[in-house]
Amino acid sequence: AQSVAQPEDQVNVAEGNPLTVKCTYSVSGNPYLFWYVQYPNRGLQFLLKYITGDNLVKGSYGFEAEFNKSQTSFHLKKPSALVSDSALYFCAVSWGRDDKIIFGKGTRLHILP
Amino acid sequence: EPEVTQTPSHQVTQMGQEVILRCVPISNHLYFYWYRQILGQKVEFLVSFYNNEISEKSEIFDDQFSVERPDGSNFTLKIRSTKLEDSAMYFCASISDRVNSPLHFGNGTRLTVT
Repeated sequence: AQSVAQPEDQVNVAEGNPLTVKCTYSVSGNPYLFWYVQYPNRGLQFLLKYITGDNLVKGSYGFEAEFNKSQTSFHLKKPSALVSDSALYFCAVSWGRDDKIIFGKGTRLHILP
Repeated sequence: EPEVTQTPSHQVTQMGQEVILRCVPISNHLYFYWYRQILGQKVEFLVSFYNNEISEKSEIFDDQFSVERPDGSNFTLKIRSTKLEDSAMYFCASISDRVNSPLHFGNGTRLTVT
């Protein structure tokens, strides 16, 4: 079955330090991978996506993610965290021609001042 | 920037009642989705809709649920007989003309079933 996993419920990072939020996936066929962010009482906002091409993709607010096919991972990264990055982050995947996009359970990111 | 709008922002209903959640997707988008999120946790896929019919649905989307695009602009989710466990945030989303495009989400409707 197709799935996406975010192994960490919460990640705490000091402001100014690099951050990583982990995501792994399991799909048949080529995956299309996405990261979204959710602030309180809001819908999810798109950050970045990997469809094909360069394994390192850059997105909004200085975030980037690296597609690793051998490890079936798509970890979200940022070189220097800001307090305003504190939010709930979701990894998502779609595949092939199926018109379905599934989400991981989310990782709450806390950036400590 | 165009937005997906959802109404109402909060709906309270009694168990067994029917509810209709409304969404206006972005006007030139072609694929429409409903997701739900319970207690700020996992975002669960319910259904996708394209070309005036359901294209995918999850096991959650049973006979109590239905979707409709009645007039070319609104996209509704109906729950015929609500249960306590239907209490959740319901998000509508849309994408343009490619399934690998990012979803655009509305701000959600908080459904509370008492």
